[in-house]
Amino acid sequence: GQQLNQSPQSMFIQEGEDVSMNCTSSSIFNTWLWYKQDPGEGPVLLIALYKAGELTSNGRLTAQFGITRKDSFLNISASIPSDVGIYFCAGQGSARQLTFGSGTQLTVLP
Amino acid sequence: NAGVTQTPKFQVLKTGQSMTLQCAQDMNHEYMSWYRQDPGMGLRLIHYSVGAGITDQGEVPNGYNVSRSTTEDFPLRLLSAAPSQTSVYFCASSYSASSYNEQFFGPGTRLTVL
Repeated sequence: GQQLNQSPQSMFIQEGEDVSMNCTSSSIFNTWLWYKQDPGEGPVLLIALYKAGELTSNGRLTAQFGITRKDSFLNISASIPSDVGIYFCAGQGSARQLTFGSGTQLTVLP
Repeated sequence: NAGVTQTPKFQVLKTGQSMTLQCAQDMNHEYMSWYRQDPGMGLRLIHYSVGAGITDQGEVPNGYNVSRSTTEDFPLRLLSAAPSQTSVYFCASSYSASSYNEQFFGPGTRLTVL
């Protein structure tokens, strides 16, 4: 099956710092999605990307769909305590099924 | 709207027992799916359905059965539970299988098989 490598696995940052995480794939995807999961909850969609090169923002979050269609990154600017959680990338190819990365655990220190 | 609901929230089974995880949505979504989430791994697709009466296998279907008799409900059955099925199970739904339609996830069922 398709493989997604998400990095870093975990991050500890100070409140107010910017954060960057990325995903790379061995296969081409038509769609890249970024989700956030709070403890004890299901994932919630943050940003969806549908075109190679696309750069999309959602408040303090910015994500890009890589030109090669095999990678994507997510930036969070000026982190706040409620940004704590696990962030997942997911890609959808021609099979229409989502492939998820292993997640980035973000901890924001006061 | 309640969105996607899952029951139970927690369950402990003994090896060999069977059970059904319930999933329901009230958004009239055609597409529903089941994922499992294991520590340090992303969500992996177990089974999915593009509409009532239609189901198909995902990445890790072995040991699980599904059916879709109504648009609203998509139960996941474990026929003979094994310790390897200890996981958190998420049900999700969307208007269609297209990525243009956001998938909404339920709160999860935490299953332990002893």
